Amino acid sequence: DTGVSQNPRHKITKRGQNVTFRCDPISEHNRLYWYRQTLGQGPEFLTYFQNEAQLEKSRLLSDRFSAERPKGSFSTLEIQRTEQGDSAMYLCASSRGSGGIYNEQFFGPGTRLTVL
Amino acid sequence: AQSVSQHNHHVILSEAASLELGCNYSYGGTVNLFWYVQYPGQHLQLLLKYFSGDPLVKGIKGFEAEFIKSKFSFNLRKPSVQWSDTAEYFCAVSSLSGGYNKLIFGAGTRLAVHP
Repeated sequence: DTGVSQNPRHKITKRGQNVTFRCDPISEHNRLYWYRQTLGQGPEFLTYFQNEAQLEKSRLLSDRFSAERPKGSFSTLEIQRTEQGDSAMYLCASSRGSGGIYNEQFFGPGTRLTVL
Repeated sequence: AQSVSQHNHHVILSEAASLELGCNYSYGGTVNLFWYVQYPGQHLQLLLKYFSGDPLVKGIKGFEAEFIKSKFSFNLRKPSVQWSDTAEYFCAVSSLSGGYNKLIFGAGTRLAVHP
């Protein structure tokens, strides 16, 4: 399978703990995106990378959230001091592209986070 | 701020019925428009997209959508649904002001098709 992969698929944690998710994009894609989806809503944009540079962050991404893409390949999303409101599906997507041209975003299966 | 509204949260149809799912967006500039589908247990997949040109766009599995600029709408249609179309459908927009880099999604419409 050469699609976007995410690990873990499910994570249950206690409030106050830190969690880290990983996303492996399609190999030739230089753009990588993180979205969050809560129950009954569509995905909400969190941040995106072009290669290793984080070019945009949503206001949804509080100080407790940090995303990295150190070598321009896989990315990690860390949530520190988790809160119950962080419970959601965290989606990763990747695409080709540069400049102001849209290219199709391919989504991974998501990581479902439950904070108890 | 840009937003996307989907008119129906849940739709129930019998097989062979016609489908139309409404989508309106709020943004006055140049936009790209998309419909994504999520089948049970699967990833979000692109169903169809509109960038420019013919406002009637055809996608996979017999779906089509019409962009009506004056109404800020991008409704999804299918003349005859099948049980396998049971899924959640999301309308999304990207804009020049966002560098076309982020998608703004609607809340989704959950479609159930009964045999």
